[in-house]
Amino acid sequence: GENVEQHPSTLSVQEGDSAVIKCTYSDSASNYFPWYKQELGKRPQLIIDIRSNVGEKKDQRIAVTLNKTAKHFSLHITETQPEDSAVYFCAAREGSYIPTFGRGTSLIVHP
Amino acid sequence: DAGVIQSPRHEVTEMGQEVTLRCKPISGHDYLFWYRQTMMRGLELLIYFNNNVPIDDSGMPEDRFSAKMPNASFSTLKIQPSEPRDSAVYFCASSLGATNEKLFFGSGTQLSVL
Repeated sequence: GENVEQHPSTLSVQEGDSAVIKCTYSDSASNYFPWYKQELGKRPQLIIDIRSNVGEKKDQRIAVTLNKTAKHFSLHITETQPEDSAVYFCAAREGSYIPTFGRGTSLIVHP
Repeated sequence: DAGVIQSPRHEVTEMGQEVTLRCKPISGHDYLFWYRQTMMRGLELLIYFNNNVPIDDSGMPEDRFSAKMPNASFSTLKIQPSEPRDSAVYFCASSLGATNEKLFFGSGTQLSVL
């Protein structure tokens, strides 16, 4: 089955800096890569996703890049704000409807 | 739609007791998932259903765990007997599946087994 590794487990940045979270996956058949954000005490919510036929996708201050050859994808957050503080989960789907999640990255944005 | 609804939000019980967690998926969603979240393991998929039928329960940790989906609008996750190591947040999620892979999570149940 699919295996997703996510790094770092914790990321601390100053407000206004950029943050990058990286994930690798094992199954070359994976074709869908969502990112979920979970604020403290809240439910995970989808913030952005990318499919394997696209190399990059942007939505305001967040972007995701995909390198299919290397089997890794990354979440980029620019001009971080305190409200970006949360746990971020990457996931990969290998052709079924069941995404495999990474372990999560706790992002802390210091004012 | 009110989204995925889970109950209870918090459950505190003593070791050995039966625990039942409940979930109402979004109307029209064909897939329902049960996840367990802990600091050590992150988000673990326990079981998922498609059109009320259990498809993969390989993530269910032990025979003490069981899940049912008697109809399209209701699912339960039962732990009997409960143990302290079962303490975690349990999330239910649903999705349309086939053409829309986005998962909609419920608010979760914080389970504490003393």
